[in-house]
Amino acid sequence: QKEVEQNSGPLSVPEGAIASLNCTYSDRGSQSFFWYRQYSGKSPELIMFIYSNGDKEDGRFTAQLNKASQYVSLLIRDSQPSDSATYLCAVSESGGGADGLTFGKGTHLIIQP
Amino acid sequence: DTAVSQTPKYLVTQMGNDKSIKCEQNLGHDTMYWYKQDSKKFLKIMFSYNNKELIINETVPNRFSPKSPDKAHLNLHINSLELGDSAVYFCASSQLKAQYFGPGTRLLVL
Repeated sequence: QKEVEQNSGPLSVPEGAIASLNCTYSDRGSQSFFWYRQYSGKSPELIMFIYSNGDKEDGRFTAQLNKASQYVSLLIRDSQPSDSATYLCAVSESGGGADGLTFGKGTHLIIQP
Repeated sequence: DTAVSQTPKYLVTQMGNDKSIKCEQNLGHDTMYWYKQDSKKFLKIMFSYNNKELIINETVPNRFSPKSPDKAHLNLHINSLELGDSAVYFCASSQLKAQYFGPGTRLLVL
């Protein structure tokens, strides 16, 4: 059974610092990796996706993928109070197509002003 | 314009009733999905449709029946509602990889 593991938190980070969120996955055949942000009572919002080993940067966000270790991370630089949310890691078996995402249970991030 | 929309936003009903949730996307995507997010916030895939064809049907009770009249719409009909069906149901759509979620339908079964 495919599993995605995340520390549920809460992870508390001071404003302006770097928040580091981690995720491991069980299915070695996973091809695509996603980070979603979900505010309380709202729908998941796509932040980043990554397919290849290494780092991918988008503004204040950096996703890191290590397929050998089956590990994905998300770094948020210059954390803002508005970054406080639950961050969901998700993986997909395929590089495209219609398969559903397998989600972790999310990490609750709190940015302290 | 809302990319992925769902109706209704809230649904409160009695056990044993039948209800439907509707989803529409205006992104031109080929694939649509239904996810369920339970009270512990765990998000799980239920169904996937690609160009009106069912692709994934996870271990979901057959009381749940998805219908896709065209590739922009995916509806979810639930028969004989049970207390355990109370959850938030999210519709999503994708083209190739990244999935975009609708606002969710909060279902409460009493």
